[in-house]
Amino acid sequence: KNEVEQSPQNLTAQEGEFITINCSYSVGISALHWLQQHPGGGIVSLFMLSSGKKKHGRLIATINIQEKHSSLHITASHPRDSAVYICAVRLGGAQKLVFGQGTRLTINP
Amino acid sequence: DTAVSQTPKYLVTQMGNDKSIKCEQNLGHDTMYWYKQDSKKFLKIMFSYNNKELIINETVPNRFSPKSPDKAHLNLHINSLELGDSAVYFCASSQGLAGVVNYEQYFGPGTRLTVT
Repeated sequence: KNEVEQSPQNLTAQEGEFITINCSYSVGISALHWLQQHPGGGIVSLFMLSSGKKKHGRLIATINIQEKHSSLHITASHPRDSAVYICAVRLGGAQKLVFGQGTRLTINP
Repeated sequence: DTAVSQTPKYLVTQMGNDKSIKCEQNLGHDTMYWYKQDSKKFLKIMFSYNNKELIINETVPNRFSPKSPDKAHLNLHINSLELGDSAVYFCASSQGLAGVVNYEQYFGPGTRLTVT
């Protein structure tokens, strides 16, 4: 079992819907990253957080350290949000990132 | 200006060949990484260097040899390529080693390696 699990694996929604992608991890972490990988393949860092909540435009990321869980929310979703969203954690004391399997999001117009 | 660049973008080669992928970052970062993304889009760390020093070597076959001539460059050389090496390889960089402070990682565009 992977140390980082994302759900759902695939998500299809209509434009304008509120989107939630979940990430659970099984060990203590120092930080959690949310990444976006567009169909063209490039990877962009969206958020890095170790507690609380961060917001950037229509994207919101939250983390609950006690429950070992993070969510990525997209408000007023748009077809250009279609991408694979990847959760990654830096395990406490370690240097490396451990990645979830990704969530493929498709927003239909 | 591209922050993290990789060459080539695509690489098609035959089994048994030796090939290199180059990575350069112009962000002034101290730490660089190589990741492998398999056909299921699963990313996994391969190597990390900090100021030209190897920090992470994640049980990668010794056919893979990273080289960091300076802190702005981290190249990946692969000997005796095998079919299973087919994947997308991403280079990334961060300001420094994560410790008390966490750093964001900046990714290159990826190199799609196909071994036939």
